[in-house]
Amino acid sequence: DQQVKQNSPSLSVQEGRISILNCDYTNSMFDYFLWYKKYPAEGPTFLISISSIKDKNEDGRFTVFLNKSAKHLSLHIVPSQPGDSAVYFCAAEITGTASKLTFGTGTRLQVTL
Amino acid sequence: DTAVSQTPKYLVTQMGNDKSIKCEQNLGHDTMYWYKQDSKKFLKIMFSYNNKELIINETVPNRFSPKSPDKAHLNLHINSLELGDSAVYFCASSQVMRETQYFGPGTRLTVL
Repeated sequence: DQQVKQNSPSLSVQEGRISILNCDYTNSMFDYFLWYKKYPAEGPTFLISISSIKDKNEDGRFTVFLNKSAKHLSLHIVPSQPGDSAVYFCAAEITGTASKLTFGTGTRLQVTL
Repeated sequence: DTAVSQTPKYLVTQMGNDKSIKCEQNLGHDTMYWYKQDSKKFLKIMFSYNNKELIINETVPNRFSPKSPDKAHLNLHINSLELGDSAVYFCASSQVMRETQYFGPGTRLTVL
């Protein structure tokens, strides 16, 4: 039972354009959401997060949008850069309990020149 | 300065052997985790320790035994290795009740 889903295994975007990565979840108890970025042979690194009391959080080129009614979040990267090429994992958590991230299966982003 | 480190990075071994993976964090965090990423790229939590105390154990076979000698270390010992144990194992740490987890580089375990 995959509670966090990333239905697009890969995405290719031209440099300078916007990258939009999507994530859906099924557990309505999740109240904190994170995006992690992973390069080959490295561990995931934290990118940006959002609490369920917000619908948007922005950090430089990265913006995460949360639509609670649709149980959907998205990560926007603008403008996309070649160094953004990596696998992006969406993760969700129920805060206030023992920290336990539930991850999606990841989307591989390729930013082309 | 590596925040979360794991050794070894690669581990190749025969079925039936016992092996350990070590994890250390220098972030002063209270909570440490082990995750497994299988061949289908699912990243799933296995264990979580807070101040050397086990707080999460996710239906992992008891051949897997985490050991936390102190707050900064969480080692994973695996007995009687099976082919299905082949995966990448990630250690992570976080402050208690803080959401951001910091991951180590991973240990790729291959069981032949």
